[in-house]
Amino acid sequence: EPEVTQTPSHQVTQMGQEVILRCVPISNHLYFYWYRQILGQKVEFLVSFYNNEISEKSEIFDDQFSVERPDGSNFTLKIRSTKLEDSAMYFCASSPYLTESTYNEQFFGPGTRLTVL
Amino acid sequence: GNSVTQMEGPVTLSEEAFLTINCTYTATGYPSLFWYVQYPGEGLQLLLKATKADDKGSNKGFEATYRKETTSFHLEKGSVQVSDSAVYFCALSDSGNQFYFGTGTSLTVIP
Repeated sequence: EPEVTQTPSHQVTQMGQEVILRCVPISNHLYFYWYRQILGQKVEFLVSFYNNEISEKSEIFDDQFSVERPDGSNFTLKIRSTKLEDSAMYFCASSPYLTESTYNEQFFGPGTRLTVL
Repeated sequence: GNSVTQMEGPVTLSEEAFLTINCTYTATGYPSLFWYVQYPGEGLQLLLKATKADDKGSNKGFEATYRKETTSFHLEKGSVQVSDSAVYFCALSDSGNQFYFGTGTSLTVIP
């Protein structure tokens, strides 16, 4: 069964460094998302991406964050200058073309745990 | 705004015990409601969903009923197994583009 994959599973970085988290969505999906979960807190929406542009973003997704679909398979989240508070689990998700039957279905990857020291 | 409040964990049960994980929500409009499960080392998997009031979602022996009057979507299973040990997330979506999750409830089932 197709699945969303994410790499790396765990990333450790120093404060101020740039990190890129990678995701490979399910191959025929059109909508892509990033979420994060700070330890002990809720899973929070960051951004959604469709047709090579951001379609929606949350207040968390400030200028330090960017997303890109550099080729036909990868979907990346870049944090330009990491802060301690960026330490969290980051989940990527994807959705197929949204029809009446697939409406609201998002398929999630296993997550990347980011630790900022 | 939209939000989900989920029962705090962790929850530890003996095999064959009855499970309830409470979930309540606040939403504008008419959201769809979901339960996701995360097994160790894996992604969030859709467990069940309900798209309108009074709908019951069910899968793998788990059930949840969309109760608009109490704004709840409690997850239940009559007899848990060790293999049900995982983290369970309640979520809502009102547009298809963004999900709102609870904090997750860790369930451990002991033989």
